[in-house]
Amino acid sequence: GQNIDQPTEMTATEGAIVQINCTYQTSGFNGLFWYQQHAGEAPTFLSYNVLDGLEEKGRFSSFLSRSKGYSYLLLKELQMKDSASYLCAVNHSGYSTLTFGKGTMLLVSP
Amino acid sequence: DAGVTQSPTHLIKTRGQQVTLRCSPKSGHDTVSWYQQALGQGPQFIFQYYEEEERQRGNFPDRFSGHQFPNYSSELNVNALLLGDSALYLCASSHRGSLNIQYFGAGTRLSVL
Repeated sequence: GQNIDQPTEMTATEGAIVQINCTYQTSGFNGLFWYQQHAGEAPTFLSYNVLDGLEEKGRFSSFLSRSKGYSYLLLKELQMKDSASYLCAVNHSGYSTLTFGKGTMLLVSP
Repeated sequence: DAGVTQSPTHLIKTRGQQVTLRCSPKSGHDTVSWYQQALGQGPQFIFQYYEEEERQRGNFPDRFSGHQFPNYSSELNVNALLLGDSALYLCASSHRGSLNIQYFGAGTRLSVL
């Protein structure tokens, strides 16, 4: 089976940096995705890693280590609007289907 | 450029009834996937449609079925509804030329009473 683990909740302060970790055990690997989901809204695509290393996109960065089955999402200069659920997902089938973790609820306080 | 659109946004049904949810993919996308998201959980893959065929299926019973039309839009049908089918149903579209990144609609919130 496929298993993706991430913390349930995290809290941080506005302006700070937060790292959300994700570990996975899947039968195959064709990429790891991070999505952001505000309450009652659609998940929105944040980042994609298929090779080891760091991908940077503005205030958001994502890291992947395939040998360790590990990824993290780094959010810098936190803003109140970053309060949301962050979903780690793995494409393991060769098609575009995703297996998701349960999501990490991030609460940013003033 | 319209994103992924789903209808209806909310739906209330009773046990044993049948429901049909609809999805229009993002312009230029040819692949549609459906996910079920229970409260406080991540989305779970139901099935994927490509070229009007079910290409891949997750661990869902046969009560869940779907269809893709020539214009790439899709329907999700659920028969014999159970209380446990209450969830947010998300549609995602993708195109094989775009790193298979999936773009999600806002979902249909289904409540089964």
